[in-house]
This record gives sequence, C-alpha cells and structure tokens, in this order.
Amino acid sequence: SQQGEEDPQALSIQEGENATMNCSYKTSINNLQWYRQNSGRGLVHLILIRSNEREKHSGRLRVTLDTSKKSSSLLITASRAADTASYFCATDEGNNRLAFGKGNQVVVIP
Amino acid sequence: DAGVIQSPRHEVTEMGQEVTLRCKPISGHNSLFWYRQTMMRGLELLIYFNNNVPIDDSGMPEDRFSAKMPNASFSTLKIQPSEPRDSAVYFCASRPPGTDFSSNQPQHFGDGTRLSIL
Repeated sequence: SQQGEEDPQALSIQEGENATMNCSYKTSINNLQWYRQNSGRGLVHLILIRSNEREKHSGRLRVTLDTSKKSSSLLITASRAADTASYFCATDEGNNRLAFGKGNQVVVIP
Repeated sequence: DAGVIQSPRHEVTEMGQEVTLRCKPISGHNSLFWYRQTMMRGLELLIYFNNNVPIDDSGMPEDRFSAKMPNASFSTLKIQPSEPRDSAVYFCASRPPGTDFSSNQPQHFGDGTRLSIL
C-alpha cells in the first residue's frame, strides 16, 4: 500500500536555487528512504535515514526526519539541470518491504 | 559493477498473449522485488522473494500473474493471458542482506520493462 505522500507533487525552479520537498507517512517506521527516477529509467537510491536519526547529509542532499510528526524533508541545494527527475520517499515498516509515495516531479530550469 | 538487468526493455503484444518478463539481480543480493508503475497507481509492489522463496505475493493482481525465482540469479514475472489494463512499466529490484529484520539496506532497481498490451 502507498504510505508516503510527497508534497509538493510538482516543483519548478531555476538552476542554482534550492529545492525542498516533503513526505508524510502514517505508521511507525524503521527507516525512510529517498529515491530519484530519471525519465525512462529505474529508481536510484539517494539516502536512507533511520528512525533514530534526525538529519543526514550526502553531498548536496540534506534529509530530515521528524518521527513525532511522521514527516521527512529532502533538500537539494544549488540545484542543477541534471537534478531534473521525480523524487520518491519510501518507508520501511519493518516487514521487509518498502511503501513508496507517488513521487514528486522536480524540473530545474537552466 | 553490473546492476539489476531486466529484459526485454520494451514489449508490445496483443491481448490474450502470454508475456514473460525477466530479471537478473545483483550478485550477492538475497531479496528480489517486482513492482508495477503506472501514472494512476504509482509504484506498486507485486511480490518479493527472500533467498529465492516467495514471501509476500499479496500485491499480485490476480491469477493471471505468476512469478518464479528458480535460483539466486534469475527471476521471471509471467502474465497469461495479458489484458490492456496490464500495460505499465514493470521494475525488478534487488537488495543485499542486512543485519537486522528490516535490513536497513537500499533497493537497487533495474531500468524496467515497458509493457504495452494492445
């Protein structure tokens, strides 16, 4: 079943700007993961944040997790045209499977 | 390193025909997942295997769908007979073993098979 819900669902920004997207979920989780999907390709894992972590960085990516609000955010700093893609959050509820949101389309205008 | 390999990349066939999608997971990964992606429903988990054994097939739409994993390096998803509503992109993903029940490991996706049933 779909658990995560991304917000906003579509985002258009200028190159160099920051892009922020949010994900909300309903049940308790072991971890939350963010994936990127370029057009016509499979999903690529970006970052995993465990339920006992509050913030994680990877390059230009910053992810936060607030388990009390059941929400997460993904920040892409200094965006590039190559960041144009759909971004998905996925929750691991401890049952060995991921529940994906419907995705967040980001367009970075050069 | 080779990633998850899916074949064919595109398949167009007429309704009623049998369709077989293939997946080769990453060597050393012990979990394999089949997903279906459509605009309307997003990414849906169809079935997943752990150590070649089907664990959860509750997402398989109906008896027309079947999946097998005869060994650690190969899996198939079969649709028989196919219907136009089966048109979608089908993804296979694999995941390495983790140290706890939830694994805390990411999934690695193939580039999918775009299936069109006419």
